[in-house]
Amino acid sequence: AQTVTQSQPEMSVQEAETVTLSCTYDTSESDYYLFWYKQPPSRQMILVIRQEAYKQQNATENRFSVNFQKAAKSFSLKISDSQLGDAAMYFCAYRGDNNDMRFGAGTRLTVKP
Amino acid sequence: GAGVSQSPSNKVTEKGKDVELRCDPISGHTALYWYRQSLGQGLEFLIYFQGNSAPDKSGLPSDRFSAERTGGSVSTLTIQRTQQEDSAVYLCASSPWDSDYNEQFFGPGTRLTVL
Repeated sequence: AQTVTQSQPEMSVQEAETVTLSCTYDTSESDYYLFWYKQPPSRQMILVIRQEAYKQQNATENRFSVNFQKAAKSFSLKISDSQLGDAAMYFCAYRGDNNDMRFGAGTRLTVKP
Repeated sequence: GAGVSQSPSNKVTEKGKDVELRCDPISGHTALYWYRQSLGQGLEFLIYFQGNSAPDKSGLPSDRFSAERTGGSVSTLTIQRTQQEDSAVYLCASSPWDSDYNEQFFGPGTRLTVL
């Protein structure tokens, strides 16, 4: 079974600075999708960014970008120019052939003004 | 357009009672997922529907948990004889089957408290 590991339970960043959240996964599949979701205190899960495994180019969405290392099975999220509104729980997720999603335990990001 | 909705938003029940949690997916989304999120934890996959059938029930924690989906739309997650360890937020998500990413759109969740 696929597993997703987020080794940082909590992270903190100064406003306007850059922070990187780590995620590793274990799979025997060659084609899959990876996601980062944000969950603010409202509980609403919001998709931040996504990556297809067969695409070598790292995905980018405005201030959010990923460093996808397929051989290392690593999928880290970089948040540039951090804003107070970025404070939330961040979940890394894996979706394989059977269409279910496996989530990591999450990283709580605090943004300091 | 409307997103995924769940009801009730909060449910408090006594140990041993049965509860029903409802999920209304986005119209036209054929795939529907249920997850459980315990306090401060990640999401635990429970069950997945494609249309009205559930090809993957592997995540249901016990036979007290069941789920159904009718008309390819609304889904109900039922927990019988609730226990205190069932207390959690139950999240529902839906996705279109034929999209490249099958991105999941989440509802706001139902917070279940078993006293």
